[in-house]
Amino acid sequence: GAVVSQHPSRVICKSGTSVKIECRSLDFQATTMFWYRQFPKQSLMLMATSNEGSKATYEQGVEKDKFLINHASLTLSTLTVTSAHPEDSSFYICSASDSLGYEQYFGPGTRLTVT
Amino acid sequence: AQKVTQAQTEISVVEKEDVTLDCVYETRDTTYYLFWYKQPPSGELVFLIRRNSFDEQNEISGRYSWNFQKSTSSFNFTITASQVVDSAVYFCALSEANTGNQFYFGTGTSLTVIP
Repeated sequence: GAVVSQHPSRVICKSGTSVKIECRSLDFQATTMFWYRQFPKQSLMLMATSNEGSKATYEQGVEKDKFLINHASLTLSTLTVTSAHPEDSSFYICSASDSLGYEQYFGPGTRLTVT
Repeated sequence: AQKVTQAQTEISVVEKEDVTLDCVYETRDTTYYLFWYKQPPSGELVFLIRRNSFDEQNEISGRYSWNFQKSTSSFNFTITASQVVDSAVYFCALSEANTGNQFYFGTGTSLTVIP
């Protein structure tokens, strides 16, 4: 149980375009979803936290207009990187927690390359 | 202040050696959870263990064992008889009840097992 999927697993886009990443909880209702970014040889950095039906809470230094997060249902959250630049190239990982909240279930990650 | 410290950035061991990965955490919460994750080159985080703050029993799972010591705020991870497949980055993480169960990740320890 507690499976989280992400789509796509890899994406290459041109600078200036937008790209959407989906995060789905497959067998449980995700009350809260989290989005992380991980640069090579670094740890996971929390970008934002979203609760279903509410606006996401962004961490300091993360531009909410650039990284649009939508958590429209209890099983789906999306991250849209708008007007992507090469410096946005990174590994993006989502996670989800249920109503108990003390554990996060991680998706497999999406590797974004902006050319 | 860093909530989770993994002082070992990189470790190399020869196959069949034992290796211990250190994790020191900092929290004022009485209710918290500690985790270890493995991140192989594919990038997907693999859950290894969860420990809550009220359970100080050490745990063994096959070649893996964990030593939780509240007195020293440490949650160390030992791999016995290491294998090449153990090569990965290992992350220790802390989740506190009072901060909405946000995860705090350590910086990770990159383990290389040499055949």
